[in-house]
Amino acid sequence: EDQVTQSPEALRLQEGESSSLNCSYTVSGLRGLFWYRQDPGKGPEFLFTLYSAGEEKEKERLKATLTKKESFLHITAPKPEDSATYLCAVQAGGSYIPTFGRGTSLIVHP
Amino acid sequence: DAGVTQSPTHLIKTRGQQVTLRCSPKSGHDTVSWYQQALGQGPQFIFQYYEEEERQRGNFPDRFSGHQFPNYSSELNVNALLLGDSALYLCASSLPTGRSGNTIYFGEGSWLTVV
Repeated sequence: EDQVTQSPEALRLQEGESSSLNCSYTVSGLRGLFWYRQDPGKGPEFLFTLYSAGEEKEKERLKATLTKKESFLHITAPKPEDSATYLCAVQAGGSYIPTFGRGTSLIVHP
Repeated sequence: DAGVTQSPTHLIKTRGQQVTLRCSPKSGHDTVSWYQQALGQGPQFIFQYYEEEERQRGNFPDRFSGHQFPNYSSELNVNALLLGDSALYLCASSLPTGRSGNTIYFGEGSWLTVV
């Protein structure tokens, strides 16, 4: 069975303190890995899609990378407005339905 | 460019009642999926509709049913509501399956509370 595991479950940072979130997966035939940001009580907001190992994508203070077993979401010099839950999802094998991890709750203190 | 829109945003129902949630997909998208998200959990796939038919279904009971209309909008119906059905219900739209790694886009969700 496909598994998507995100770590840590929660992360507290000081403003400007860079860090990384991890998404590890055990799937056969990765079709795509997705990162979303979710604010409390809101729907997930799409951030990135990664398709193959070695691929990287950036948006403002966020950078997503992909290996054959995991993805990292690097946050450089975070600001309080980056506080949110970050969700990872994978599409794999014969299914085009993404499987989601439980997310990492990020809090950035001013 | 209109994104995915859902209604209502919040609702409260009594155990045993029925509820209907509505969704309009992002412009240009014709595939609609529904997810249930409990507090502290990732979204759980309920089912997907394409060309007005249920294309794939997750591990949810038959109390959960849906429909897709010719204009690609969709409804999620839940019968005989249980307290455990309280959650955020998310609609997501995408281009047709068959494209490798096609991205899904979510609406803001409908908060359902069953009392």
